[in-house]
Amino acid sequence: QQPVQSPQAVILREGEDAVINCSSSKALYSVHWYRQKHGEAPVFLMILLKGGEQKGHEKISASFNEKKQQSSLYLTASQLSYSGTYFCGTEIYPGNTPLVFGKGTRLSVIA
Amino acid sequence: DGGITQSPKYLFRKEGQNVTLSCEQNLNHDAMYWYRQDPGQGLRLIYYSQIVNDFQKGDIAEGYSVSREKKESFPLTVTSAQKNPTAFYLCASRDSSHYGYTFGSGTRLTVV
Repeated sequence: QQPVQSPQAVILREGEDAVINCSSSKALYSVHWYRQKHGEAPVFLMILLKGGEQKGHEKISASFNEKKQQSSLYLTASQLSYSGTYFCGTEIYPGNTPLVFGKGTRLSVIA
Repeated sequence: DGGITQSPKYLFRKEGQNVTLSCEQNLNHDAMYWYRQDPGQGLRLIYYSQIVNDFQKGDIAEGYSVSREKKESFPLTVTSAQKNPTAFYLCASRDSSHYGYTFGSGTRLTVV
């Protein structure tokens, strides 16, 4: 039931792009994305709902492929502040049911 | 400002001792959650509560207990039955399924 994230880790130079994937074996109602800095709590980035549109800002966006039950997080023109561990959290049906989190993808951006 | 407060930030437990981690929110959220984080494991669900006076076990509830007597508060007790409690504990809440979690700053528990 735990979603599978890939890659496990990635190193980027400033300005490079990255894609992080999250796949589930179950049909999903929503996918959440969070970023966690070392020793801190995760911070909510965005949520993608079944039937919803691609979300995001100019440089961090995400999509949700309902046919494949896969979500992808896109980081464009990465900055040093993007470093951290990215987690996806999945929900099978609505109703404030708890999220099931992937193991995370560690992203390191270097100068 | 609204948010979730977890205390203490660091906690040391002796063998055989029960300890309680505090989680308080002033966001007026109905749902609250406790997760445990170990290195390389992601976040694993311990307990959750969708309304006051009701809570459900998560995937790793053994050795833990909770209460939800007030909407604002969801304390977690780590009992002596939990054999490997050293971990980072995170409390979260949310308003509805259309919103993300708000996390507290976490409690790092160490067995000494």
